[in-house]
Amino acid sequence: ETGVTQTPRHLVMGMTNKKSLKCEQHLGHNAMYWYKQSAKKPLELMFVYNFKEQTENNSVPSRFSPECPNSSHLFLHLHTLQPEDSALYLCASSPWEGGEETQYFGPGTRLLVL
Amino acid sequence: AQTVTQSQPEMSVQEAETVTLSCTYDTSESNYYLFWYKQPPSRQMILVIRQEAYKQQNATENRFSVNFQKAAKSFSLKISDSQLGDTAMYFCAFTYYGGSQGNLIFGKGTKLSVKP
Repeated sequence: ETGVTQTPRHLVMGMTNKKSLKCEQHLGHNAMYWYKQSAKKPLELMFVYNFKEQTENNSVPSRFSPECPNSSHLFLHLHTLQPEDSALYLCASSPWEGGEETQYFGPGTRLLVL
Repeated sequence: AQTVTQSQPEMSVQEAETVTLSCTYDTSESNYYLFWYKQPPSRQMILVIRQEAYKQQNATENRFSVNFQKAAKSFSLKISDSQLGDTAMYFCAFTYYGGSQGNLIFGKGTKLSVKP
């Protein structure tokens, strides 16, 4: 596998379910990100992890819970979501070496909350 | 606050022709990066081209080139010899030194259709 991978690619869940999204980067990067992409809206940055430590949380509801066990893996745990949370969730990584901020994206997880 | 504006929600071009997508940004920073990303129907966000603000030379990547006008805060993307595979949403994005990490600010995108 190369680049940034995400699983699952598609997910349908009820509002009472608990599920997790997984992201893995094979680029040797130090920073990883979660974004939400909804129809007709710009990409929204949700969380940032740098060297496994969370450095940004852009006022995301607590029903979204990130986890970064190491610099290569990032999870987004989901529970009691709302229909408005249906969106494409994109993971990205960047080198974070002296300010290098080019981000490389995974293919995304299309989430539908019923 | 930093903003990125893409004024063309949709564009179309004939195959093999050239098309230019517009992007303007607003910032008081002097040290920053600009990007164009492509998102085809497969939904994978792919980096097309990158420009450092301190470089006067416009970036090029094969058929893709930019016209970076720093004073005008303009960063347009030119696609030469358009191909059907270029059909996608194109996003202009901006980030800067010293900002919050991950502060990659995206425009709303331009939907480009390449017609045979």
